[in-house]
Amino acid sequence: AQKVTQAQTEISVVEKEDVTLDCVYETRDTTYYLFWYKQPPSGELVFLIRRNSFDEQNEISGRYSWNFQKSTSSFNFTITASQVVDSAVYFCALSEEAYGGSQGNLIFGKGTKLSVKP
Amino acid sequence: EPEVTQTPSHQVTQMGQEVILRCVPISNHLYFYWYRQILGQKVEFLVSFYNNEISEKSEIFDDQFSVERPDGSNFTLKIRSTKLEDSAMYFCASSPWGAREQYFGPGTRLTVT
Repeated sequence: AQKVTQAQTEISVVEKEDVTLDCVYETRDTTYYLFWYKQPPSGELVFLIRRNSFDEQNEISGRYSWNFQKSTSSFNFTITASQVVDSAVYFCALSEEAYGGSQGNLIFGKGTKLSVKP
Repeated sequence: EPEVTQTPSHQVTQMGQEVILRCVPISNHLYFYWYRQILGQKVEFLVSFYNNEISEKSEIFDDQFSVERPDGSNFTLKIRSTKLEDSAMYFCASSPWGAREQYFGPGTRLTVT
């Protein structure tokens, strides 16, 4: 069965601290996709990144970096030098391989609420 | 940058009434989705739609729900007879062919009283 676990419900940091959001997934598929989405207080869901199961390269984008490890079924997200604007709920999501008329629905974790204080 | 739009932003309805939530996906996208998020909880998949038909649906998407793409731009979710437990934020999403990431609209907050 597919499942995404974000064990950290809430994290609070002070501006400029680094913070890592954990994500552990379960799937039986050998081909799958992992995502991070940001939900700021305004409520929309903002796509941040997608990783394919066959590509374990870590990725850095500005202050954001992602560590994908198949051996531990984890896809962790680190924000370096956090800022107040990073305050949001962050969701990790999984999509399995799909066929026919589907590209696979997203299975979301419960989210981690990050509060960055000035 | 193109984006998914949804109307209305907030809908209040009485139990038993029908509601239609509207979405305009990004214009060159081919796959469309509805998700819902009950307040403070995780985002849950409802249904996906491709080539004018449902491609996948979850257990939540029962006979009270239906989707339609009435023209080349709109994508609607209809709830026939709303229940209190249908109160949630409903998100529409779309994705282009060959890309797995989905782009979400701002959501419609549905309140059933």
